[in-house]
Parts: sequence; C-alpha cells; structure tokens
Amino acid sequence: NAGVTQTPKFQVLKTGQSMTLQCAQDMNHEYMSWYRQDPGMGLRLIHYSVGAGITDQGEVPNGYNVSRSTTEDFPLRLLSAAPSQTSVYFCASSYVAGAGTGELFFGEGSRLTVL
Amino acid sequence: GENVEQHPSTLSVQEGDSAVIKCTYSDSASNYFPWYKQELGKGPQLIIDIRSNVGEKKDQRIAVTLNKTAKHFSLHITETQPEDSAVYFCAASKNNNNDMRFGAGTRLTVKP
Repeated sequence: NAGVTQTPKFQVLKTGQSMTLQCAQDMNHEYMSWYRQDPGMGLRLIHYSVGAGITDQGEVPNGYNVSRSTTEDFPLRLLSAAPSQTSVYFCASSYVAGAGTGELFFGEGSRLTVL
Repeated sequence: GENVEQHPSTLSVQEGDSAVIKCTYSDSASNYFPWYKQELGKGPQLIIDIRSNVGEKKDQRIAVTLNKTAKHFSLHITETQPEDSAVYFCAASKNNNNDMRFGAGTRLTVKP
C-alpha cells in the first residue's frame, strides 16, 4: 500500500502565484486534512474533510482552499502565494471521521518556498 | 482553545540512557494524547497514544504517563538507540481529530 502520497515534494513560487498541492490516499479513509509545519510551532491544521463533498476550516485557513470530490483525493490550493506561506505542508488521513479521535497517517510532506 | 506546550525543545542523550519529554495542556476536557515521531524527511508517525481513562501505557521501550489533575503527560524512552534520533511531537484532543493541537516538538539526538 502506498498510504498517503503528496506531490510535489518541493516547490518554489513567486509572490502572487497560485498552485495546488496534491494529496491522495489508498486506505479508504473518510477523514483527510492538511497541516503546515513551521519551526517552533508544531503542526497547525489548515483545512479538513470528513468525507467526499464535505470540507471545513481548521486553525489557519486564510489563503488556502480545498475541495473533496472523491474519497481518495484532497488537494490544497494556494490562491495568491505570500512569503508567510513558506512552510512544509503535510496531508494526513484517518479512519476516524466525525466524532472520535484516532491515528493520523501522514504523507512525506511538501516543502514550499515563496519568494 | 487547547494549548499544548512541550519541553525540552532539544534533548541529547548517550546511547543506552533514558529520555523523557514532557507536555502540558490547557483544556481539562482533552481526553486523547498521542505521540508522533518524525524522522528526517518523513511525515510524523504515531508511536504511542493514551486516553484519559488510563494513567500509563507501555510498548516495549516506550511509555507514556498521564496526570489529568496536573494536565501533563510525558513520553519515556528507555535504553535509547541511535535510531530513536528524531523529532517527537505530543498532541491533545477532546472530541475529534480536527480539534487536535500539537506541541512544538522535541529534537532528540542519541549519541552512539
């Protein structure tokens, strides 16, 4: 099993450009999420989804959009990149959606630099 | 909302020694406390978790303890090995995966 796959692994953008980070999982998980990881700040939730067609905002959603058209895919869109969005982005999925907590399965990350 | 503080930010030990990482949380309603290990260039991976109806949980060389009254929990690694070198994150959650909050991380280095 591939688990959670993220692409690209590295990306450099100029301020104002847009791009999409791709995330796919093959575990049939209903719950998927995007985190950003910044030095000294741990992992912060950007957006999450509890199933196809359902998305919601996390702790730091500004400047990002998501959609969930299938169970497998959960892309993250940066609408107009800013230097403050320079970070490492992780996609995660879980078999626990809705009420309850459980293991998060993370991808290997996408390092984004905005110049 | 929940706030999780983690200490120390860096920890260096000799191979074979024990390592302890501590976290405190602010929301007394939190009831799920996982620990994740992140190796260089990889995503975090769950290594152990504990729920609030349990005070301690062990899995081979790792253990987690929870003090609900004081609102803190700790990760203990015994007989450390070089492959334990990584960044460790604690987290706390009460109802859903989406309300989980992570600590800032501890970089553990095990010297051979």
